[in-house]
Amino acid sequence: NAGVTQTPKFQVLKTGQSMTLQCAQDMNHNSMYWYRQDPGMGLRLIYYSASEGTTDKGEVPNGYNVSRLNKREFSLRLESAAPSQTSVYFCATLFETQYFGPGTRLLVL
Amino acid sequence: DAKTTQPNSMESNEEEPVHLPCNHSTISGTDYIHWYRQLPSQGPEYVIHGLTSNVNNRMASLAIAEDRKSSTLILHRATLRDAAVYYCIRGRRNTPLVFGKGTRLSVIA
Repeated sequence: NAGVTQTPKFQVLKTGQSMTLQCAQDMNHNSMYWYRQDPGMGLRLIYYSASEGTTDKGEVPNGYNVSRLNKREFSLRLESAAPSQTSVYFCATLFETQYFGPGTRLLVL
Repeated sequence: DAKTTQPNSMESNEEEPVHLPCNHSTISGTDYIHWYRQLPSQGPEYVIHGLTSNVNNRMASLAIAEDRKSSTLILHRATLRDAAVYYCIRGRRNTPLVFGKGTRLSVIA
């Protein structure tokens, strides 16, 4: 039982490049979330998906898009990366409480 | 707006109990109190949650005040591996949690 997994673990991008962060869960939870965490800060919600086929904006959605491919997978896409998107990105599921993945560390130069 | 108040940092000696306080004076009747912790370079990890009664699990105990305006996370015997940022969060069941800055716990050998 892997729980919530994220790939890649670490990525370096140049400004303007695009990439997709992948998240998968094997807990059969309906709801999935993407957060970002900047140094010394709490987590901020980017996008979430309450169920397969639905997505909604969170607190800081600008510059991101998401896809809920199926019940297991929820991806986050940066179409044109900016240095302000340098952060650690966490995927999470929700069932009574939240379960988090190990994170993807993204550096945009 | 995390809607809870926690000290920025606390220190404990190894093998001693630790009491981490949290104030949530505006809590509503349907809000649970959740505690998570985040070890360096890892995702948030669920610790414990409760509604009204005190709760115990293998990781910690949660003591909730009778008026529910405050709570205390109790680590019965701190180890070096317990050094982390501890987040106290109020939220309804099955809703995404809003993380604040938490309390940074240092454990001294």
